[in-house]
Amino acid sequence: AQRVTQPEKLLSVFKGAPVELKCNYSYSGSPELFWYVQYSRQRLQLLLRHISRESIKGFTADLNKGETSFHLKKPFAQEEDSAMYYCALSGYNTDKLIFGTGTRLQVFP
Amino acid sequence: EADIYQTPRYLVIGTGKKITLECSQTMGHDKMYWYQQDPGMELHLIHYSYGVNSTEKGDLSSESTVSRIRTEHFPLTLESARPSHTSQYLCASERGGGAFYTQYFGPGTRLTVL
Repeated sequence: AQRVTQPEKLLSVFKGAPVELKCNYSYSGSPELFWYVQYSRQRLQLLLRHISRESIKGFTADLNKGETSFHLKKPFAQEEDSAMYYCALSGYNTDKLIFGTGTRLQVFP
Repeated sequence: EADIYQTPRYLVIGTGKKITLECSQTMGHDKMYWYQQDPGMELHLIHYSYGVNSTEKGDLSSESTVSRIRTEHFPLTLESARPSHTSQYLCASERGGGAFYTQYFGPGTRLTVL
């Protein structure tokens, strides 16, 4: 079954601490993985996708096919990173984007 | 400016009323989607469309219906609103084709059914 799992509903850290939001997936084939973010009172928007191999707002994510993971990382969290983060998957075996349940990141001053 | 629009942004309505949530995009995208999202919670896909005259049901059973008569317009209709329909509804669009493109989301409609 195609599935995206985000095991943490809430992740709380202090400003300056490292952050890792976990994402594991189940998919037969080569997936395309995404991280979407929703800041308070803003639209859901793309943060990054693995094929771009870029760092956005200091966040990076590496696709680990062996562990079927696509964890989102940032070495030093900022208060403005507080938001809801969704991991998502697409691929040739699915005709739609499959979202995880989301992780709320709270960064305290 | 290319964007995706949703109206109304907020709607409070009584049980049994018929409502239509509007979604329009000026991005020239073929694919459009409707999601239901309770605040701070997971997204549930309720309908999607590949293009004009194409509509599909999503993963979440929904009493709503959609239509796609024009590329840029993808309205969602509830024939008889109930309190269980209270939620936020997000519309999204995506460029068509065989590759996997970014979905762009509208600002959402927050629906409250009394």
